[in-house]
Amino acid sequence: GAVVSQHPSWVICKSGTSVKIECRSLDFQATTMFWYRQFPKQSLMLMATSNEGSKATYEQGVEKDKFLINHASLTLSTLTVTSAHPEDSSFYICMMGRSGADTQYFGPGTRLTVL
Amino acid sequence: GENVEQHPSTLSVQEGDSAVIKCTYSDSASNYFPWYKQELGKGPQLIIDIRSNVGEKKDQRIAVTLNKTAKHFSLHITETQPEDSAVYFCAATNRMTGNQFYFGTGTSLTVIP
Repeated sequence: GAVVSQHPSWVICKSGTSVKIECRSLDFQATTMFWYRQFPKQSLMLMATSNEGSKATYEQGVEKDKFLINHASLTLSTLTVTSAHPEDSSFYICMMGRSGADTQYFGPGTRLTVL
Repeated sequence: GENVEQHPSTLSVQEGDSAVIKCTYSDSASNYFPWYKQELGKGPQLIIDIRSNVGEKKDQRIAVTLNKTAKHFSLHITETQPEDSAVYFCAATNRMTGNQFYFGTGTSLTVIP
């Protein structure tokens, strides 16, 4: 399967700062990128979907101005949490997909802790 | 939209025994059903998947069965080992209408040595 990386793997920041999370693949070209968040002992919650060349589509209840998504290329997507607050502390996971292909690949996740 | 339910939420088995996790889905148009294993602090990893034109698929100790009529699919792990301990998620999607996956709520499997 494809290798998907996320950077950083964990980050601690102060309330009010912005944090950028990168999702990158070296061997998979993703036409679609998904960003999930996961709270402890819970399932994955889809935040937004980004198709190449289009703006991201956000799920209901997810603030697009707070969670900025950039699908820069077929191998790179970034999620920026702006003005982070303690309630944004979570595990953020990207998933890469490609049109016409069943299999999609998760990144290893980024643990964000906002103090 | 699709609704995926997963049971049980927790499961403990003795090493060597079998483990079965069940999921149901609501949208009969769903046609692809992957299973993911998530270890603590890591992203989910695909372990097996099944398409709607197949009733069963096996990969060594892991198998998945699909009943399209009843709209449910199950993960079977035989001869469980301590390293099988993890959280398992099922998912369903319609590959024709888009790529969004709908996930179950997860099953925490503990294999007792």
